[in-house]
Amino acid sequence: EDQVTQSPEALRLQEGESSSLNCSYTVSGLRGLFWYRQDPGKGPEFLFTLYSAGEEKEKERLKATLTKKESFLHITAPKPEDSATYLCAVRNSGNTPLVFGKGTRLSVIA
Amino acid sequence: SQTIHQWPATLVQPVGSPLSLECTVEGTSNPNLYWYRQAAGRGLQLLFYSVGIGQISSEVPQNLSASRPQDWQFILSSKKLLLSDSGFYLCAWSVLRNEKLFFGSGTQLSVL
Repeated sequence: EDQVTQSPEALRLQEGESSSLNCSYTVSGLRGLFWYRQDPGKGPEFLFTLYSAGEEKEKERLKATLTKKESFLHITAPKPEDSATYLCAVRNSGNTPLVFGKGTRLSVIA
Repeated sequence: SQTIHQWPATLVQPVGSPLSLECTVEGTSNPNLYWYRQAAGRGLQLLFYSVGIGQISSEVPQNLSASRPQDWQFILSSKKLLLSDSGFYLCAWSVLRNEKLFFGSGTQLSVL
């Protein structure tokens, strides 16, 4: 059974304090790993798709990386507006529905 | 560009009352459509998905049903709500099945 585990559950950072969020996965033939940002009371907003180990994607202060067992979302010099829950999801080779992690709730304090 | 609309944003319903949540997608044809539920402290749970008009797949047996009367329209319904139906309901679409999803703004349902 495919599984996605995100850690930590919650992370509190000072503005400018860089850190990383982790998404560990077990999946039968990875066909895509997706990162989303979700603000309170809103739907998730798509950030990145990664397909193969070694791949990296960047957007502003965010950088996503992928290995064969996990993905990291690196946040460089975060600002308060980066505060949100970040979700990770995987797609397997069997074309079954995406499996989501429970998310990491990030708070950036000014 | 493609847009997804979901309403209402919040809903408070008594136990035993019916439910109808609507989702529409504009700017794309034959989208794959999904209904998810997100409970506090839990991950996103897929409820239904549809690859075309009248084609509905249910992932979790429950008190809910879904319909797709038009290519661009996806409806989540219940005849009698239960307390356990409370949660945050999200509609989503994708071009390819089980690929990158685009979510609506969600409906917070409270069953009292």
